[in-house]
Amino acid sequence: QQQVKQSPQSLIVQKGGISIINCAYENTAFDYFPWYQQFPGKGPALLIAIRPDVSEKKEGRFTISFNKSAKQFSLHIMDSQPGDSATYFCAASRNRDDKIIFGKGTRLHILP
Amino acid sequence: ETGVTQSPTHLIKTRGQQVTLRCSSQSGHNTVSWYQQALGQGPQFIFQYYREEENGRGNFPPRFSGLQFPNYSSELNVNALELDDSALYLCASSLTPLAKNIQYFGAGTRLSVL
Repeated sequence: QQQVKQSPQSLIVQKGGISIINCAYENTAFDYFPWYQQFPGKGPALLIAIRPDVSEKKEGRFTISFNKSAKQFSLHIMDSQPGDSATYFCAASRNRDDKIIFGKGTRLHILP
Repeated sequence: ETGVTQSPTHLIKTRGQQVTLRCSSQSGHNTVSWYQQALGQGPQFIFQYYREEENGRGNFPPRFSGLQFPNYSSELNVNALELDDSALYLCASSLTPLAKNIQYFGAGTRLSVL
């Protein structure tokens, strides 16, 4: 049973465009939703995270939109740059739980 | 760099063998979590160690075991290796066990089981 479903599996965007990655979750007990960025040969690094008491969080060019009723959240990368080319993982956890449940990842390629 | 180091970077084993992977946590962090990342998949939680005790476990069989040492470094041991154990093994350290705290990942150990 996949608790966090992520789409698309891969994404190609022109430089300067908007990259959008979507995730859906099943467990309503989840209350922490981080996004991770992973470059080849590196471990995942926390990019941005949101809690369900807000509908949107923005950090620089990265924005998380959260829809609690639909149990969906998404990552928007504005003005996408070639350096953003990486694999992105959405994830979820319960506040006091010890584990983070990851989605399967989206391979993003930004065309120069 | 995250300050989390893993060794070795690559490892080749044959089915049935045993393997030990090592992780040095970031200075000041007392919690280490281990993840398995199969090719093209997201990391899957194996277990977490907090102050030398196992503090939660994912859906992995007992042949996956671990240790945490007084300096908070950690080992992941896998016995009776199977072909499906081929994956990137990641460790992550954090200040406390709470998942909301930022987990700093190492670059991983790529294990190939032949």
